Amino acid sequence: DTAVSQTPKYLVTQMGNDKSIKCEQNLGHDTMYWYKQDSKKFLKIMFSYNNKELIINETVPNRFSPKSPDKAHLNLHINSLELGDSAVYFCASSAQDGVVAQYFGPGTRLTVL
Amino acid sequence: AQTVTQSQPEMSVQEAETVTLSCTYDTSESNYYLFWYKQPPSRQMILVIRQEAYKQQNATENRFSVNFQKAAKSFSLKISDSQLGDTAMYFCAFIKYNNNDMRFGAGTRLTVKP
Repeated sequence: DTAVSQTPKYLVTQMGNDKSIKCEQNLGHDTMYWYKQDSKKFLKIMFSYNNKELIINETVPNRFSPKSPDKAHLNLHINSLELGDSAVYFCASSAQDGVVAQYFGPGTRLTVL
Repeated sequence: AQTVTQSQPEMSVQEAETVTLSCTYDTSESNYYLFWYKQPPSRQMILVIRQEAYKQQNATENRFSVNFQKAAKSFSLKISDSQLGDTAMYFCAFIKYNNNDMRFGAGTRLTVKP
């Protein structure tokens, strides 16, 4: 009965490659997010999708592109991976109005070599 | 812009004792929500407790309670009867009402010692 799931949990790849991380939620939420957690544990929002529309984009390089085929899924595609992209990426979801908490997936640890 | 400050990078507590984690925030909004999240070594982000700014009563969830001081823009987390499983990073977070842009503090690493 996983609420927010992400695949893969670990991703090791070479610089310059393109990779995707998938996220699915079964909570019936309207809004989904991607966060990046750096090596110092700082969490920063990258994207938010509400009913398949982008509503936040926090100055993330355009190598990162979120794709939402439906409101239960928000995938993150990363082109031309760089060393600095190494981090843990979290997917989250919340009800549309944001008055309830965001619920997080287990995270994907991306390592770029 | 809203900022969230956690001034204690690391804390420790003996098992069964009580510990308080501090959080302050800066906002000009009058209606907002505050949260504490826990991130154990498994790295899963787990919601611990939340507080609506319009409620004067402090939120409580079992051994976890908050001290919400709206005028002082302070939102501390008290953990009573600390357990080994409470060892984790704790993040304070802020979100404006009817907004999805959640802002996190830098986190406090809590270690519960046997």
